[in-house]
Amino acid sequence: KQEVTQIPAALSVPEGENLVLNCSFTDSAIYNLQWFRQDPGKGLTSLLLIQSSQREQTSGRLNASLDKSSGRSTLYIAASQPGDSATYLCAVNQGNTPLVFGKGTRLSVIA
Amino acid sequence: EAGVAQSPRYKIIEKRQSVAFWCNPISGHATLYWYQQILGQGPKLLIQFQNNGVVDDSQLPKDRFSAERLKGVDSTLKIQPAKLEDSAVYLCASSLAGGTQYFGPGTRLLVL
Repeated sequence: KQEVTQIPAALSVPEGENLVLNCSFTDSAIYNLQWFRQDPGKGLTSLLLIQSSQREQTSGRLNASLDKSSGRSTLYIAASQPGDSATYLCAVNQGNTPLVFGKGTRLSVIA
Repeated sequence: EAGVAQSPRYKIIEKRQSVAFWCNPISGHATLYWYQQILGQGPKLLIQFQNNGVVDDSQLPKDRFSAERLKGVDSTLKIQPAKLEDSAVYLCASSLAGGTQYFGPGTRLLVL
């Protein structure tokens, strides 16, 4: 059974700092991995999707890497801003299957 | 392109009452998912549809939860009777086969 773990559970950083969020999964036979952002009381916004054959994806200040063999992914946020404050969720699936989510990392960026 | 629509956005009911949620996926998306997200947790799958057929409902509490997608487009999720532990956000998502899942805004349910 696939399990996804995210570390840390919460993180508070000053504005402008670069930061890394970690995600690990127990079954390396994944099809893709997604990083989502969730604002309080809102739904999920997809940030980056990495196919299993890829090593990383970039979008603006965000960079996600995937090491499928070791079951790890990281989300790197450069030059953090207060608007980045949210919960970040990592999820994996195996094709046309449901996503299995971690519990998320709650990020606070302090101005 | 319109996103995934859900209604209502919020619902407060008393335990043992019934409630229904509605989802309209992105046009052309054959796969539809319902997830339950309890406070402080990641979303967990309740049921997956492919067109109007059920692919996976292994984690759906079938004694109280039911879902349908009769015409392969809109879907409804029903809880009857509700329990306190059903308080959560119910998220609907849709995708093309094997592709990115797009999520709706969710329905926040509070059972008193």
